[in-house]
Amino acid sequence: SQQGEEDPQALSIQEGENATMNCSYKTSINNLQWYRQNSGRGLVHLILIRSNEREKHSGRLRVTLDTSKKSSSLLITASRAADTASYFCATDKGAQKLVFGQGTRLTINP
Amino acid sequence: DVKVTQSSRYLVKRTGEKVFLECVQDMDHENMFWYRQDPGLGLRLIYFSYDVKMKEKGDIPEGYSVSREKKERFSLILESASTNQTSMYLCASSLFRGSTDTQYFGPGTRLTVL
Repeated sequence: SQQGEEDPQALSIQEGENATMNCSYKTSINNLQWYRQNSGRGLVHLILIRSNEREKHSGRLRVTLDTSKKSSSLLITASRAADTASYFCATDKGAQKLVFGQGTRLTINP
Repeated sequence: DVKVTQSSRYLVKRTGEKVFLECVQDMDHENMFWYRQDPGLGLRLIYFSYDVKMKEKGDIPEGYSVSREKKERFSLILESASTNQTSMYLCASSLFRGSTDTQYFGPGTRLTVL
C-alpha cells in the first residue's frame, strides 16, 4: 500500500530555475524522508524531517512539512544538470519500515 | 561513509533457476531490507531483518526467501525464478532496530529472468 504520493510525476525545467516537488500521505507519521535516485542506481538519502519540524534546509534543498495537510514539499534552488534524477518521499510505517512513493522524475535542461 | 554493496549489477537467469542476491553493509547496522522496483509501482518491500537470523515479511514476500546468518550480510533467494520476477532489486540498511531513520541503499541488481 502506498503512503506517500509525489506530485508531479515528471518535471522539466531550465538550469538555474527552482524545482518544487510535493508529497502527500494518508496516515500520521513520525518522520518523512526524501531520497534521490540517479538513473539505474540505488537511492541516496537527502533529508529527514521529523513530525515536530516544519522546515529543514540542506545546502540548496529546502523541505517543508505540514502535518495538518499531510503534505511535504522539496524545493531545489538554482538547479543544475546534475540534479536530473528521480526524487522519492518516504514515510515511516512503524517497525523500522518505510513506504516510498512512486517518485517525481526531474529533468534539468541546459 | 556507509557502504552497501550488492553482489551483481546485472544478472540474467532462466525460468526455474534458483537465484541468490547478496547484500553486504559495512557499518554494523541492525536493520537490512530488500526491495524491488518496477516502473509505475515504485519501491516495494519484500523482506527485512532487524537482527541475525531474524526476518519479517514485507508487502510482497511471495516467491522469495531471505537469509541473515551474519549481521553484515542479507541474502535474497528466488527459489524458482519466474519471468514476473524480472526487476531491479535494491538492498538497504539502517542503524537501529525499531527506528525508521535513514536507509542506505546499495547500487541495485537488475535481474532478468528469461
